[in-house]
Amino acid sequence: DIQMTQSPSSLSASVGDRVTISCRASESISTFLNWYQQKPGKAPKLLIYAASSLQSGVPSRFSGSGSGTHFTLTISSLQSEDFATYYCQQSYSSRTFGGGTKVEI
Amino acid sequence: EVQLVESGGDLVQPGGSLRLSCAASGFTFDTYWMHWVRQAPGKGLVWVADMSGDGIIIRYADSVKGRFTISRDNAKNTLYLQMNSLRAEDTAVYYCARDPQRAGEVDYWGQGTLVTVSS
Repeated sequence: DIQMTQSPSSLSASVGDRVTISCRASESISTFLNWYQQKPGKAPKLLIYAASSLQSGVPSRFSGSGSGTHFTLTISSLQSEDFATYYCQQSYSSRTFGGGTKVEI
Repeated sequence: EVQLVESGGDLVQPGGSLRLSCAASGFTFDTYWMHWVRQAPGKGLVWVADMSGDGIIIRYADSVKGRFTISRDNAKNTLYLQMNSLRAEDTAVYYCARDPQRAGEVDYWGQGTLVTVSS
């Protein structure tokens, strides 16, 4: 099974900061990597699919990059509504989620 | 508008069974793969199972293989998860989600239904 490792597990940031979250796969997954945002008590929301494609309706401050085993989610200028937990997910072989990164104030 | 509404979550004893349902609307249900994903209290997301639109291809996470069964009734636009031999570690919110068949992501999620396994 493909394992997904996110880092850091949590981070503290301020409004306006540039935030970067890393996700590593245990083997190459090409660009079959997706990113989700989840707020407490809510279902996850798709942000990025295929490593770098922005889901419709998602603000352009969110971007994704990477291929193979190393991927990055970047929030260019953190807004108050972006404080949440972020998950990566591989869709190359079955499905596996990373452990999550909590972005706190 | 795409809507996914889960139901069937409950408190059940270890070793018991439960069937979850996910009613879909707002899209052509039988053309989409569908997934179940769960989240234990305070923990991360865990993929459980998925099924092709025609119901032919089915996959399970190792942790539920042999105990859980995913199925669908395309005439009723409903996805199911039959859960048998439930364990305490199956306690979680269970989400159903739609796969738009682009890169394997899921683009719409239900609100989730809570399953608690406890004596």
